[in-house]
Amino acid sequence: GAGVSQTPSNKVTEKGKYVELRCDPISGHTALYWYRQSLGQGPEFLIYFQGTGAADDSGLPNDRFFAVRPEGSVSTLKIQRTERGDSAVYLCASSLTSGGALDTQYFGPGTRLTVL
Amino acid sequence: SQKIEQNSEALNIQEGKTATLTCNYTNYSPAYLQWYRQDPGRGPVFLLLIRENEKEKRKERLKVTFDTTLKQSLFHITASQPADSATYLCAIRGDSNYQLIWGAGTKLIIKP
Repeated sequence: GAGVSQTPSNKVTEKGKYVELRCDPISGHTALYWYRQSLGQGPEFLIYFQGTGAADDSGLPNDRFFAVRPEGSVSTLKIQRTERGDSAVYLCASSLTSGGALDTQYFGPGTRLTVL
Repeated sequence: SQKIEQNSEALNIQEGKTATLTCNYTNYSPAYLQWYRQDPGRGPVFLLLIRENEKEKRKERLKVTFDTTLKQSLFHITASQPADSATYLCAIRGDSNYQLIWGAGTKLIIKP
């Protein structure tokens, strides 16, 4: 079956603009995660969804970042008033059930965001 | 806060030899630790999970050890192949049951 997909694969925007990044998790996976990865660094946790609700959004850096998952499947990460420091690869992952310790996370290829 | 350290310099290994990567952590006592592989332009791919009560875990040519006293995990690839070239990251669970805290990864290069 299909893995986690993310669109667009690349996004170039200007400082101050609004962007949306989309994640399609593996069908049937209830847990969904967003991470941000800067060059030469490991992924940084942003937010976790269990079903439609954000169970943990403690990793969102500020209120310019927001994510939704209205039907418990596709998720959109929204960034307002983008800044150059937002440039990174945004990774999405999904797992089958509760997001517990032994649930394997399957990652998408990421969206590379560049803010000029 | 929790901190994970991996060798920042690339590791060059001759094909056929064993590659050993290190993951050290501080300020935490994780119940388990995970290793992932990441290729350029791709997301991480899960390889192995080892629990605190397991000293060693094996999967084909991969072996992971977990020393909770030293706060260290070692990741070994035996009979290494050029296709094993990638960045390898370790991760532990954070304060919540959902957050993974990641090392920066070590780039492994297997030379034919």
